Amino acid sequence: GEDVEQSLFLSVREGDSSVINCTYTDSSSTYLYWYKQEPGAGLQLLTYIFSNMDMKQDQRLTVLLNKKDKHLSLRIADTQTGDSAIYFCAEILPTRSARQLTFGSGTQLTVLP
Amino acid sequence: NAGVTQTPKFRVLKTGQSMTLLCAQDMNHEYMYWYRQDPGMGLRLIHYSVGEGTTAKGEVPDGYNVSRLKKQNFLLGLESAAPSQTSVYFCASTTGHSYEQYFGPGTRLTVT
Repeated sequence: GEDVEQSLFLSVREGDSSVINCTYTDSSSTYLYWYKQEPGAGLQLLTYIFSNMDMKQDQRLTVLLNKKDKHLSLRIADTQTGDSAIYFCAEILPTRSARQLTFGSGTQLTVLP
Repeated sequence: NAGVTQTPKFRVLKTGQSMTLLCAQDMNHEYMYWYRQDPGMGLRLIHYSVGEGTTAKGEVPDGYNVSRLKKQNFLLGLESAAPSQTSVYFCASTTGHSYEQYFGPGTRLTVT
């Protein structure tokens, strides 16, 4: 299977940490991505992780990969109102050509004051 | 360096009309992609191209055609628009050596 699943909505208070989760069903995934989409805009690559890694940290962002459970998460520390957006998890499968991305449905993150 | 640009930004079509969406990139990327985004469904790949003069079908190609006559441009055509093609269309590009796709700002298409 090639499904990527995410919960649709998440609300957090400003200053708290946000954790956005994603599950994927194909264990042969090579690269896993997190994209951010602000209202009316295109997709912005936030970070990605290669399948032989468990964790990647970049400033306020921490990506955790659990290959055994096929679970990917994105933690945003000290969440700000500017972090309100849709966050997409995506994967590249080696069985697909030309680096095709398979996206999850996206998680709408709302940051409350 | 404009990155990936899309023309037009918005369009309203009547059922049965045709139109072409233009994607242009100035990064000399080999690979280009067309996606559609529908609420609650993420992005789905329509067609893609690995180089000038080549195209291939993605996940949801029916009702669309594409052409890549120049390396920097990737055109998406709707020959006879249907209400089911109401969506936001995104173009993306990358090099053959990168795993990062760069996205355009999108085209919002409504078919009535």
